[in-house]
Amino acid sequence: GAGVSQSPSNKVTEKGKDVELRCDPISGHTALYWYRQSLGQGLEFLIYFQGNSAPDKSGLPSDRFSAERTGGSVSTLTIQRTQQEDSAVYLCASSFGQSRDIQYFGAGTRLSVL
Amino acid sequence: AQRVTQPEKLLSVFKGAPVELKCNYSYSGSPELFWYVQYSRQRLQLLLRHISRESIKGFTADLNKGETSFHLKKPFAQEEDSAMYYCALRGAQKLVFGQGTRLTINP
Repeated sequence: GAGVSQSPSNKVTEKGKDVELRCDPISGHTALYWYRQSLGQGLEFLIYFQGNSAPDKSGLPSDRFSAERTGGSVSTLTIQRTQQEDSAVYLCASSFGQSRDIQYFGAGTRLSVL
Repeated sequence: AQRVTQPEKLLSVFKGAPVELKCNYSYSGSPELFWYVQYSRQRLQLLLRHISRESIKGFTADLNKGETSFHLKKPFAQEEDSAMYYCALRGAQKLVFGQGTRLTINP
């Protein structure tokens, strides 16, 4: 079956604009994760959704970042008033949601803020 | 606090030589440790996890709780092993990653 799908693959925006990044998890996966991969920072956890539970937002770097997951499937990560330091690759992962499940990653969205 | 340290950002070895990528962690409970790999222009993928205790592509990693380490080893490196390697820890559901080590295998 299809893996985790992310769109767009690349996004160039101007400082101050809002952007939306989309993630389609693997069918049947109830857990969905967002990570950020930036130069010098490695991979950072942003937010985690599990079924209908309240999301774990502990990794969001500021209130400009938000995410939602509609219908327990597709998720959208929104960054408002983008800054140059937001430039990074944003990765989405999904899993079946059990405590020892493997997370499968999408190809990522490369965001460039000019 | 959960923390993963990969002390080497870059590692270069010759084909056929042994490889060891270091990973140390900090976690108060019983951690679950992983190695993820990202080949050029490919997505991040799981290489191995400590609970499986298996060898993947010739790589092994042993969890040493006394030294809080999970080093990745391969006795004879191959050119196709060139990639970015990330050590990761799972305490709760989320993964905490190290900074990554870029491994280059020279012919």
